[in-house]
Amino acid sequence: GEDVEQSLFLSVREGDSSVINCTYTDSSSTYLYWYKQEPGAGLQLLTYIFSNMDMKQDQRLTVLLNKKDKHLSLRIADTQTGDSAIYFCAEPSGGSYIPTFGRGTSLIVHP
Amino acid sequence: EAQVTQNPRYLITVTGKKLTVTCSQNMNHEYMSWYRQDPGLGLRQIYYSMNVEVTDKGDVPEGYKVSRKEKRNFPLILESPSPNQTSLYFCASSLDSGSSYNEQFFGPGTRLTVL
Repeated sequence: GEDVEQSLFLSVREGDSSVINCTYTDSSSTYLYWYKQEPGAGLQLLTYIFSNMDMKQDQRLTVLLNKKDKHLSLRIADTQTGDSAIYFCAEPSGGSYIPTFGRGTSLIVHP
Repeated sequence: EAQVTQNPRYLITVTGKKLTVTCSQNMNHEYMSWYRQDPGLGLRQIYYSMNVEVTDKGDVPEGYKVSRKEKRNFPLILESPSPNQTSLYFCASSLDSGSSYNEQFFGPGTRLTVL
């Protein structure tokens, strides 16, 4: 996870927007990913963005990519208690297409 | 249903008693890997396999072994478990390692406690 940095915790109130940030190092990345891990479960792909895009929107999710700063963010609009989970940023590194995962950001949603 | 399965889901054992955690996928994936997840450290890759009979070390391979005799199975072996191997383990698979779009499919996890 050293190539992908994330803050460890984020706490928001239900109904607010959540923004989870990630910085990465490999500028040749083609796809960048966000995975979600719900309590007691494995990781599941939440969304992804191709490196020639700046933004991708999917219902309540917005992914922003700043290639110049190597910064990726995930915005969740109208955050619900069901969004409480750990979110992992992932990007291919080391010359491989296999993603390297960040440490994960625990999103806590208060009623 | 396309899935990655792991067994057992929970295991408590004692130091030095050999154990195997099984992993199986039904998606005909070439690439499989094992991770451990520890608080504050995120996911760390233990071993990976690009295809049958092809395995390689990840970031934290010490104390672990793997084998890939069949495409669908990728067991994780702890020959002599120690308490520092207490962790949550995930198996994952993907279609192959050469595709630029590379979604990883994860198993449900195995919670291992070594006393």
